[in-house]
This record gives sequence, structure tokens and C-alpha cells, in this order.
Amino acid sequence: NAGVTQTPKFQVLKTGQSMTLQCAQDMNHEYMSWYRQDPGMGLRLIHYSVGAGITDQGEVPNGYNVSRSTTEDFPLRLLSAAPSQTSVYFCASSPLGGARWGTGELFFGEGSRLTVL
Amino acid sequence: AQTVTQSQPEMSVQEAETVTLSCTYDTSESNYYLFWYKQPPSRQMILVIRQEAYKQQNATENRFSVNFQKAAKSFSLKISDSQLGDTAMYFCAVQGGSEKLVFGKGTKLTVNP
Repeated sequence: NAGVTQTPKFQVLKTGQSMTLQCAQDMNHEYMSWYRQDPGMGLRLIHYSVGAGITDQGEVPNGYNVSRSTTEDFPLRLLSAAPSQTSVYFCASSPLGGARWGTGELFFGEGSRLTVL
Repeated sequence: AQTVTQSQPEMSVQEAETVTLSCTYDTSESNYYLFWYKQPPSRQMILVIRQEAYKQQNATENRFSVNFQKAAKSFSLKISDSQLGDTAMYFCAVQGGSEKLVFGKGTKLTVNP
């Protein structure tokens, strides 16, 4: 049972380069999300999705794009990387509970450490 | 909007002793969930314990228990018989209604041998 799988685990980019962080889950969860973790800041929500074809912005969406073409996959795209995007990124999923944004119990991937030079 | 405050950036405890991590929160929702997540050095986020606000009984999971004070909007985590494997960052989080899960900034706990 793989759970939530993120790739790559580590990446170094130069300013202005683009890249995609991949996230896949095999639990048939409707809700998927991306967080970034910075020292002293906790986890901050970047984007989230409540189902295929539906995405929305979180707390810190600028500089990031997402799409959700399938239930399983939720890639995060950096179109033009900046040093301020150096961070650890987490993908997380959850089943939806009625009208709620999930049960709150998120299942996390192992994280991707991104460094932008 | 929901907020979570963890006032202790770092804490330490001796192995086998008990430690309490503090968390206060704010939400306008009448029903909500509260969580403690653990992040060991491996970086994997792991759910430790969960509390539903409408349940008065404090949640417990083996050596982990919470003190949920709804009126005070306080949700502390008590770790009994601390073990070296409890060394980690601990994040408190709240999620209610149509609001997304919001995390505190974390408390770094070190268990000393």
C-alpha cells in the first residue's frame, strides 16, 4: 500500500527554471493538497483540490500552478523558480466528508526538498 | 479564519518522564477537529491524536493524551513515559466546517537519554 508518493525527493534549480513536483495517491481520496514547510513558519497551504477538475488557492499560491486531471494525481508546477521558493514541499490527501473539506486527517507524502539558487 | 498558536518553539524532557506541549486555537466554527501531528527527523508527517470538538472526553492514544479545554480554546498534548523515538517536531492543527486544515508553527521536542 503506497499511500501518497511524491517525486522527486530532492531537487536543485536555478532561478527562472521551471519544474513539476509530482504527487500520486492510491487511496481514492477526493481531497488533495500541497503545503510548503519553512523554518519557524509551520506548514502553509499552497493549493488544494476536492476532486478531478477542481482546484483552488490556499494561503500562499503565488508562483505555483496545479491541475487535477485524475483522482490519483495532483502535480505542483513552478513556472519560474525563485530563491523564495526554496522549501520543503508536502503533498497530502484526505477523504471528503460531506460538505466538509475532508475529515482533517491528512495522509502525507515524504516531502520534497527544493533548493533554488 | 482559523488560527493555531504554539507558544513553545522548543522543549526537552528526560527519557521516561512526562512532557506537555501547549496549543491554543481560534475558530468560528461550532464543530471542528483538532489534531497533533508528529514530524520526526525522517520528515514524514504522522498523525498522533485527533479530537472532535463535540466530544467532551479527552482523546488518548497509548502514551499520548490531550487536555481539551473548549471554552479556553486550548488543546495540549501530554506524552507520558517519553521515549527517544518521541524526538520530533510536533504540530497542532485545527479544521472546522468548510475551512481548510491550519497548522501551528510547531514545537521541537528533544528527548534526552
